[in-house]
Amino acid sequence: KAGVTQTPRYLIKTRGQQVTLSCSPISGHRSVSWYQQTPGQGLQFLFEYFSETQRNKGNFPGRFSGRQFSNSRSEMNVSTLELGDSALYLCASRQFLTDTQYFGPGTRLTVL
Amino acid sequence: GQQVMQIPQYQHVQEGEDFTTYCNSSTTLSNIQWYKQRPGGHPVFLIQLVKSGEVKKQKRLTFQFGEAKKNSSLHITATQTTDVGTYFCAGPVAGNQFYFGTGTSLTVIP
Repeated sequence: KAGVTQTPRYLIKTRGQQVTLSCSPISGHRSVSWYQQTPGQGLQFLFEYFSETQRNKGNFPGRFSGRQFSNSRSEMNVSTLELGDSALYLCASRQFLTDTQYFGPGTRLTVL
Repeated sequence: GQQVMQIPQYQHVQEGEDFTTYCNSSTTLSNIQWYKQRPGGHPVFLIQLVKSGEVKKQKRLTFQFGEAKKNSSLHITATQTTDVGTYFCAGPVAGNQFYFGTGTSLTVIP
């Protein structure tokens, strides 16, 4: 099976702009989670979607939002970008009722 | 709130030396997982421990889950340069949300 794919791999934006990141899970995986990784904060959970519904949400401001489509693909949106949003954004998929997460390569977002 | 801490944060070892990272959760975990992230890469699943006191081995790697299911450890025997990376523990808490540990970055000096 193909692994988790994320697009784009790299992105440069300026403060105040918005950005949309995409994640395609492994075929058959209906759960998609998003994480933000920074050197100082490690891996921070953003949210999880399952069957197009947000199931869990981390402690991030409302500027961070997501959605999941019927084919399980997921998008994450960040509005009004701030310098501190520069990070590696990882998505992970898993099968229903299992805990093992399979990560994508990530999207490296730089906010100038 | 829920916290999963790992120590040490960084570890430099000579090739051939052993390495251990410890993971401590503020609450009981139903299971614990370990992931490895190579420099420039993404986290890759290594193993899952479920039972209290469980010990699992993968070649030179030994994983333990504490009796109280609040701590875990990963021990690598005779490190090799291929072991370089950051090791994370992670566990599901209420609502199935995953908390990742702070990670231990391992450097192996040839």
